[in-house]
Amino acid sequence: QKEVEQDPGPLSVPEGAIVSLNCTYSNSAFQYFMWYRQYSRKGPELLMYTYSSGNKEDGRFTAQVDKSSKYISLFIRDSQPSDSATYLCAILTQGGSEKLVFGKGTKLTVNP
Amino acid sequence: SAVISQKPSRDICQRGTSLTIQCQVDSQVTMMFWYRQQPGQSLTLIATANQGSEATYESGFVIDKFPISRPNLTFSTLTVSNMSPEDSSIYLCSVESDRRYFGDGTRLSIL
Repeated sequence: QKEVEQDPGPLSVPEGAIVSLNCTYSNSAFQYFMWYRQYSRKGPELLMYTYSSGNKEDGRFTAQVDKSSKYISLFIRDSQPSDSATYLCAILTQGGSEKLVFGKGTKLTVNP
Repeated sequence: SAVISQKPSRDICQRGTSLTIQCQVDSQVTMMFWYRQQPGQSLTLIATANQGSEATYESGFVIDKFPISRPNLTFSTLTVSNMSPEDSSIYLCSVESDRRYFGDGTRLSIL
């Protein structure tokens, strides 16, 4: 079983829609969870990170972690064409050497 | 923050040749990493580039295939050696500063 699983999509929504992006992970010991955004032909950039369970909100973006089901989500409200990108979830493994492990990424297109 | 310059941005190479990718950071950083991003696959860590010592490679990656240099705290190179079509991928440099930053990648195609 892979450490992080993410549906690659693609996902296409109309402008203004609420977008839900999701990942599952395998190790209940993981505590740091990140979402990266990657525009076409660019490197990933950190969008949000959360520690442990719960929600974290930043403008139109909300990151949610459910440790009981090992499920992480990113919600985008009032989606804009500028949100069109690939979104990658990532976890920080710990114990020994820290390492970022990424999901495959979900390609999102927001249509005007 | 950290700004990463990665060169070349793309290249098309012949089978059996080698290519060296350069990564320059605008500030001194302790941790530098090299990743591979293959179509439809996860961003995968190749190795951690250590300043003053040999790179630390992840499972499935070896120094003979991906030699790495790290002469100082702002620069690193990754060489993809004896390339085959399976090496066609995007290679990204990454650094840890106040957060993890990534370069824009080198798009490599092997004919």
